[in-house]
Amino acid sequence: GAGVSQSPSNKVTEKGKDVELRCDPISGHTALYWYRQSLGQGLEFLIYFQGNSAPDKSGLPSDRFSAERTGGSVSTLTIQRTQQEDSAVYLCASSLAFTGNQPQHFGDGTRLSIL
Amino acid sequence: GESVGLHLPTLSVQEGDNSIINCAYSNSASDYFIWYKQESGKGPQFIIDIRSNMDKRQGQRVTVLLNKTVKHLSLQIAATQPGDSAVYFCAENNADSWGKLQFGAGTQVVVTP
Repeated sequence: GAGVSQSPSNKVTEKGKDVELRCDPISGHTALYWYRQSLGQGLEFLIYFQGNSAPDKSGLPSDRFSAERTGGSVSTLTIQRTQQEDSAVYLCASSLAFTGNQPQHFGDGTRLSIL
Repeated sequence: GESVGLHLPTLSVQEGDNSIINCAYSNSASDYFIWYKQESGKGPQFIIDIRSNMDKRQGQRVTVLLNKTVKHLSLQIAATQPGDSAVYFCAENNADSWGKLQFGAGTQVVVTP
């Protein structure tokens, strides 16, 4: 079956440019999450969406980061005026529901490199 | 072989042996735990989860043990195979910050023939 799909798989851009990362969650999953993974590190929570509720943006590292989820499905993570420290793998996950004890299923991520 | 905590980066195990990966968590309010496997260039893959009202759960070749008294979690892999070589993460969640999984740095498991 189809899992979480992320695009692009790799993105190389120059410092100062804006980037958009896309996530298609598993069909029927109401909750969607973004994480960031730096080289050789664990995952750092960024933001989550649950249904029509306001997203929890508490993990976003700066106001250069924003995310949207349109129609309760596809999500886009946008990073404005990219910096070299933004280089990381950006992972998206979805879960069947947000009500407790539902495992999050991850895509393969977008590897972002800022030159 | 045995890995203690999430700060020990590598566990080497011989093919066919059992592996034990350990995880220490600090938040006593954590009530849901997940083990993930991550292969190079891939996203984390769900292996098994356990709720805090349980102390053991078994899957196919894997067993997760939870000791809430000492805030310790372990993943046991039976008859380790070359395909088990990967980085393993434990993640925890709690009702105060639901959805924001807290991950450790992971343990690299290397299976040798």
